[in-house]
Amino acid sequence: DVKVTQSSRYLVKRTGEKVFLECVQDMDHENMFWYRQDPGLGLRLIYFSYDVKMKEKGDIPEGYSVSREKKERFSLILESASTNQTSMYLCASLAGNRGYEQYFGPGTRLTVT
Amino acid sequence: GEDVEQSLFLSVREGDSSVINCTYTDSSSTYLYWYKQEPGAGLQLLTYIFSNMDMKQDQRLTVLLNKKDKHLSLRIADTQTGDSAIYFCAEGGGSYIPTFGRGTSLIVHP
Repeated sequence: DVKVTQSSRYLVKRTGEKVFLECVQDMDHENMFWYRQDPGLGLRLIYFSYDVKMKEKGDIPEGYSVSREKKERFSLILESASTNQTSMYLCASLAGNRGYEQYFGPGTRLTVT
Repeated sequence: GEDVEQSLFLSVREGDSSVINCTYTDSSSTYLYWYKQEPGAGLQLLTYIFSNMDMKQDQRLTVLLNKKDKHLSLRIADTQTGDSAIYFCAEGGGSYIPTFGRGTSLIVHP
């Protein structure tokens, strides 16, 4: 059974804190993604990675960075959290050669106060 | 750029059929998807259709694709309260990164 896990389901941080969100997949997928989900806005792509140490900006990369040191792990970093980064963060992975089905983690609900 | 549009809400009675509609703009779309998100969970692929197909049926689910009008629909027969969720339409074209719609919240009344 395929699995994408995220380090926390709920997280509360203060403005200005550095925040790490971690995502791990056990399917040996090449591609990994970070989205944020806000009511009425759907999913917006923050960053994605198509290989270890490779990263590409998505639609809304400002205020975020990512790290992919190992194939199975993709981290999202908020260098200095702000209240407008309060959101649901979803990680996904995708095989490079088996169609386009993305597998999603359960999400991390981040609140920045 | 690519765009995927779907209505934000749909309310139906239990036992009725639900039809969720979606339009997309990328004519090179190869795959079209429906994802389901239950409360507090991530997205899960419900079904998908290749762009060279018109229809796909899977138990209570029927997907219809009108490629000429770039219109995709998901019909859920005999809708149950457990079908209450957000349904996302997505298209995958030349890039392997799908483009998602904003999601349709399906509310099923007893």
